Amino acid sequence: NAGVTQTPKFRILKIGQSMTLQCAQDMNHNYMYWYRQDPGMGLKLIYYSVGAGITDKGEVPNGYNVSRSTTEDFPLRLELAAPSQTSVYFCASSRGTSGSGVEQYFGPGTRLTVT
Amino acid sequence: KQEVTQIPAALSVPEGENLVLNCSFTDSAIYNLQWFRQDPGKGLTSLLLIQSSQREQTSGRLNASLDKSSGRSTLYIAASQPGDSATYLCAVRTNDYKLSFGAGTTVTVRA
Repeated sequence: NAGVTQTPKFRILKIGQSMTLQCAQDMNHNYMYWYRQDPGMGLKLIYYSVGAGITDKGEVPNGYNVSRSTTEDFPLRLELAAPSQTSVYFCASSRGTSGSGVEQYFGPGTRLTVT
Repeated sequence: KQEVTQIPAALSVPEGENLVLNCSFTDSAIYNLQWFRQDPGKGLTSLLLIQSSQREQTSGRLNASLDKSSGRSTLYIAASQPGDSATYLCAVRTNDYKLSFGAGTTVTVRA
């Protein structure tokens, strides 16, 4: 049981390039999330998904796109990378049922630098 | 909009001292509160989850309390060790999907 996995671990992009951050989970969780963490700040939600084929915007969606074709995978696409997208990106997942006992599980993160 | 604040931003203590980390939030209508540990360059490890109906949770040397009415949670770490050095994040869940995070408290335990 690998939990939540992310690739790559590190990436340097030039301004204007595009890339896809990969995220996969093997816990059969319905809910998946993408966050970004800037230095000295808390995590901010970029996009989330409540199941295959269903995605929605979080707090900071501009400059990103997502898709969810399977329960396991939730890739994050950066189009036309900008220096403001330099950050650490975390993927997370949780069970789909409501309730106060549900917790989110996080991947190890992808450190992205745009120069 | 839920705002989560963690004070202090950094804390340095000698080994063996008890740690007290504070988290405050502005909207008391929460589902739960989670405390995470983050080591440098690593992901988040969940330490404790307190449901909205609970007052505290304990795991080993860790104890977390929750006072919804005052919008506060406190994480206590007893008899700190150098291995406890990390950043501790507090996150509040306000609906089915959204976690609002504080900026964290970076702890250094001196041997």
